[in-house]
Amino acid sequence: ETGVTQTPRHLVMGMTNKKSLKCEQHLGHNAMYWYKQSAKKPLELMFVYNFKEQTENNSVPSRFSPECPNSSHLFLHLHTLQPEDSALYLCASSQDGGEYQETQYFGPGTRLLVL
Amino acid sequence: AQSVTQLDSQVPVFEEAPVELRCNYSSSVSVYLFWYVQYPNQGLQLLLKYLSGSTLVKGINGFEAEFNKSQTSFHLRKPSVHISDTAEYFCAVRRGSSNTGKLIFGQGTTLQVKP
Repeated sequence: ETGVTQTPRHLVMGMTNKKSLKCEQHLGHNAMYWYKQSAKKPLELMFVYNFKEQTENNSVPSRFSPECPNSSHLFLHLHTLQPEDSALYLCASSQDGGEYQETQYFGPGTRLLVL
Repeated sequence: AQSVTQLDSQVPVFEEAPVELRCNYSSSVSVYLFWYVQYPNQGLQLLLKYLSGSTLVKGINGFEAEFNKSQTSFHLRKPSVHISDTAEYFCAVRRGSSNTGKLIFGQGTTLQVKP
């Protein structure tokens, strides 16, 4: 799977740490997404970027800070997280715009554990 | 607003038996519908999608789904499952007129294929 890559695959951090998750898509898409997947819950959309501009923020706490420097890269900066933030964080990308709708392609995710 | 309900959280089935995973959605506008599969420790992979046209959609790995507008359902079926089909399956809906790509996911159904 080389379409959407995520690093690191696993991350353990303390509540006072600062870390970043990285996502890269090699599909030439113009939209990228961050999702949170917690046990026994539906996937939660966190952020959407279209053409590097943030178009959606689903009431995500400010301790999560996204960054999209270009249409191929997406970061999620983490600071002062809580144990309930432990989850699988999934990145996705798609080609969107106008009447042309496309499928979202997902990365393998980063499994985050906050101690 | 759209919502997605997957009626079964777990579906145990014996190998080579048929299976149906149920999905119902609610929306007042036209929608696109998707089924994704997530194998252990991996991201989501698209199984199939309905955008328009024939209501019977065929996907990868022998899966198919039927869009039923009157019943607002998009059930996933496979006539004969394999051990390797053991995974989490997610139904998702996207507003047909949207160009932001926002997907709404169901809670997921765990398919457990037994030998």
